[in-house]
Formats: sequence, C-alpha cells, structure tokens
Amino acid sequence: AQSVSQHNHHVILSEAASLELGCNYSYGGTVNLFWYVQYPGQHLQLLLKYFSGDPLVKGIKGFEAEFIKSKFSFNLRKPSVQWSDTAEYFCAVDIMNRDDKIIFGKGTRLHILP
Amino acid sequence: EADIYQTPRYLVIGTGKKITLECSQTMGHDKMYWYQQDPGMELHLIHYSYGVNSTEKGDLSSESTVSRIRTEHFPLTLESARPSHTSQYLCASSSSDRNTEAFFGQGTRLTVV
Repeated sequence: AQSVSQHNHHVILSEAASLELGCNYSYGGTVNLFWYVQYPGQHLQLLLKYFSGDPLVKGIKGFEAEFIKSKFSFNLRKPSVQWSDTAEYFCAVDIMNRDDKIIFGKGTRLHILP
Repeated sequence: EADIYQTPRYLVIGTGKKITLECSQTMGHDKMYWYQQDPGMELHLIHYSYGVNSTEKGDLSSESTVSRIRTEHFPLTLESARPSHTSQYLCASSSSDRNTEAFFGQGTRLTVV
C-alpha cells in the first residue's frame, strides 16, 4: 500500500536555527507532492507544492522543498526559523493513478523557542 | 481564502445519537474528501468522492457513511455515535485537473459522551 513517512514527530528549535523536515513516500509512479501547515487552532493551509519541473520549489514564509525522485523524498527546509513557525507540518502525496487520492504523513510538530 | 465550509465546528453528543457533519464548497471542485484526525496524530482518509453519485471508502475503515448528491455538498453521517468516534473530522476538496492542491475546511471536532 502507498504510504508517506515523516521522520520527525516532534522538533524543538531555537529561533534563527535551520530546519529540515524529512518526508519519504512509497510509490513508484507519478506523484504530486505537498507540504501543508496547521497553525494552532487553524485549518490546514498549503505551504508549497511540486507538480513537475524544477525539483526545488519555494513556498510561502521562506520555506522550500526539494524533490529527489531517486530517493522518493520531498524534504522541507527553512534556513532560519521564527517563533511564528510553531505549527504542525504535514507532507502529502497525490498518487496519480486510477485511485488518485491524497495521502498524508503523520505530521511533525514543530516548536520554536523564542 | 478557500471556500470550503464545515458545520458544526464543535459537537458534543450522547452515545447512540445519529449525527451528520456538513461540508460544502463553492469552488466547483469535483473531488471531495473526509479525513479523520486525532489530536497530534496523522490524517486518515476515510471517504472520498470523484463527483456526483461517486463515493469510495478510504484507507481507514470507518462506520460513517457519505453521500454526494450535489457537487458542492459532501455530508458525513454516523447512524449511532459511540465514544470511539470522538475525533476531528476534516473535509477537503480539489479540482479534477491534474495539477492542483486540496483545500481544507476548518474541521469539526466531535465528542461523543
């Protein structure tokens, strides 16, 4: 069965630290890739997306992610985090096959210390 | 701002009651989804739909049922609520275009006592 794995369940960083959240998926065919963010008390929002083309995609608030097809990975990065980045981050994969459904990882809870 | 709405936002209900969680979107999206999310846990796909009169079970088995009579409306029903149904239910929709993301509603936090 297709799955999405996020390696870190809970990450604690100080402001200005660099961030990298891992995401791997298990499907050999064509995929669309997403990172969503859920701030406390708010709904899920799209952070960035990859459909095709340049494997390095930039999203809102200084986030970026790199698609490495050979590693089935789509890691999220930010060079310098802020306290306002405290949230839960979900990696998601849209399996572009007959079923065509979006599968989410377990999420990573990011806590930034002021 | 995504135009997808869920009601109610919060619901506390007794065991054995029938409940319907509403989800509506005004974006004309063909595809709609229901996810279940326990606090601090992953999102589990429980139902999805490709269009009117199309519904499919998701990866997580659920005792809930859904219907898709109109494009914009995708309600979820529990015939007899139990405490094990306590969770957050998230509705989402997306276009059937190949390259598009899903938009999420605010969610319904259900507590069955």
